Amino acid sequence: NAGVTQTPKFRVLKTGQSMTLLCAQDMNHEYMYWYRQDPGMGLRLIHYSVGEGTTAKGEVPDGYNVSRLKKQNFLLGLESAAPSQTSVYFCASSGTGYGYTFGSGTRLTVV
Amino acid sequence: AQSVTQPDIHITVSEGASLELRCNYSYGATPYLFWYVQSPGQGLQLLLKYFSGDTLVQGIKGFEAEFKRSQSSFNLRKPSVHWSDAAEYFCAVENQAGTALIFGKGTTLSVSS
Repeated sequence: NAGVTQTPKFRVLKTGQSMTLLCAQDMNHEYMYWYRQDPGMGLRLIHYSVGEGTTAKGEVPDGYNVSRLKKQNFLLGLESAAPSQTSVYFCASSGTGYGYTFGSGTRLTVV
Repeated sequence: AQSVTQPDIHITVSEGASLELRCNYSYGATPYLFWYVQSPGQGLQLLLKYFSGDTLVQGIKGFEAEFKRSQSSFNLRKPSVHWSDAAEYFCAVENQAGTALIFGKGTTLSVSS
């Protein structure tokens, strides 16, 4: 039982490049989330999804897009990466019983 | 807007001493509260959570937290700290819509020998 799996774990991008971060969960959770973590800022919500085919904006959505075509997957896209998007990205999922499970993170550097 | 405040950015505790990490939240109704721990370069591990009932919650690794509605607090405690407890600790509250967690900025714990 893998829980929440994020790929890739590390990535270096040049400014203006695009990429997609993949999050997969095998717990049949309805809700999925993307957070970013920056030093001294805690975790801030980028986007979230309350079910297959739905997405919604969180606290810091600018510069990111998401898709939830399948219940188990939640994709985070950067269309034109900027240095300000250098961060550690965490995916999470939650279901009944209010349990939130986090992935191990993706460390992204934009140069 | 809902928020979580962790007043202490960095705390140093001697090994074997007791620990209390502070957390205050802003929320109108009964909150769902969480404490997570993050070791360097790792993901987040749930220590404990409070939904309702007994205001003293027991968690993993010997941690406990007490919900005090009158003070809007959910402080994390441990009676005797071990060197392996050195990490960053995050307090979080579920938002009113029940759709996401709102995190505090974290407290870094250092343990001295």
